[in-house]
Amino acid sequence: DAGVTQSPTHLIKTRGQQVTLRCSPKSGHDTVSWYQQALGQGPQFIFQYYEEEERQRGNFPDRFSGHQFPNYSSELNVNALLLGDSALYLCASSFLGGGWNTEAFFGQGTRLTVV
Amino acid sequence: SQQGEEDPQALSIQEGENATMNCSYKTSINNLQWYRQNSGRGLVHLILIRSNEREKHSGRLRVTLDTSKKSSSLLITASRAADTASYFCATVGNTPLVFGKGTRLSVIA
Repeated sequence: DAGVTQSPTHLIKTRGQQVTLRCSPKSGHDTVSWYQQALGQGPQFIFQYYEEEERQRGNFPDRFSGHQFPNYSSELNVNALLLGDSALYLCASSFLGGGWNTEAFFGQGTRLTVV
Repeated sequence: SQQGEEDPQALSIQEGENATMNCSYKTSINNLQWYRQNSGRGLVHLILIRSNEREKHSGRLRVTLDTSKKSSSLLITASRAADTASYFCATVGNTPLVFGKGTRLSVIA
């Protein structure tokens, strides 16, 4: 079992550009959540996808959008990048049928640097 | 926004000692989870405690939950150098995981 995989590992982009990050969930999981973690902070919830729909969203602007594919993998897109978008982006997968009391498995993250 | 606050922000102990980290949160929850993060990489799930549980053990880990005080604690017994990491509590209420800012634990050999 490969667990949760994210790509790329590191990325450098210029202000104003757009970026796409990818996540493949753990086998058997159907739900993908994305988190942004700034240096020295805890992860902050961006949004969650289930059955190819955005199920919940945190306090992030519309520049942050996502997608989930029929195979449960997911993409996070960020448009019009700002310097403040520099962070570690984490993907977590879980099985919604487990209800709220289920653990999430995290990928190793994508380190995005905006210059 | 952050739900909880971990205390202390940083902790340095000798190998073999116990480490205790505390977490406070603000709203009602379904469960509270603790995660570990090494060197800014992915988070590893440690333990989940449900809102109707008061204490839970897993190996060298002991977690307590006091919903009346909206607080939890994580105890790591007989710490090892490999326990050096950041530890986060995360609550699950009506939203997925809401994390605190974490405690940086350094275990000195």
